Amino acid sequence: GAVVSQHPSRVICKSGTSVKIECRSLDFQATTMFWYRQFPKKSLMLMATSNEGSKATYEQGVEKDKFLINHASLTLSTLTVTSAHPEDSSFYICSARLPRVRTDTQYFGPGTRLTVL
Amino acid sequence: GENVEQHPSTLSVQEGDSAVIKCTYSDSASNYFPWYKQELGKGPQLIIDIRSNVGEKKDQRIAVTLNKTAKHFSLHITETQPEDSAVYFCAATSSGGGADGLTFGKGTHLIIQP
Repeated sequence: GAVVSQHPSRVICKSGTSVKIECRSLDFQATTMFWYRQFPKKSLMLMATSNEGSKATYEQGVEKDKFLINHASLTLSTLTVTSAHPEDSSFYICSARLPRVRTDTQYFGPGTRLTVL
Repeated sequence: GENVEQHPSTLSVQEGDSAVIKCTYSDSASNYFPWYKQELGKGPQLIIDIRSNVGEKKDQRIAVTLNKTAKHFSLHITETQPEDSAVYFCAATSSGGGADGLTFGKGTHLIIQP
């Protein structure tokens, strides 16, 4: 299957700082990537859809100014949590979709555990 | 929007027995239904998926069935093994060229008793 990586795997930051999370498709080009958020023992909630070369599409209730998404290349999307607060602590997971062939199959990264103190 | 319900939330079975997890969806436009396995602290791993043009798909010990009329789909794991213990999520989306994210069920914690 396709491989998606995330960096960092774990990050601890102080309240008020910004944190950038990278999502990379290692062996394929992904025109579309997705960002999900998962609280402990809960399901995954779609935050936004990241499209290469255009603005991200955010789900209802997700603040686009707080969660900045940049999809600058076909293999990299970044999520920046700006002015992080303790309530932003969560497990952030990205996924990438194979282009053209089986366009609906999503492969997930290993996730990034964010802890805001 | 789409709403996916998943049952049960916890399932405990004896090693070697079968496990069945069921999901229902609300949006009749949904046409793609993947199942993911998630181990603690890791990202979800795709284990099997089904599209709305088929009613059943099997891959070794894992099978998925889809009833479009009733809008429900199920995951079947036979001959369960200890390494099958994990949280399983069903999901649904409507594809077809659009960039739709997945709507997930709440997950089933599968416990395989030795």
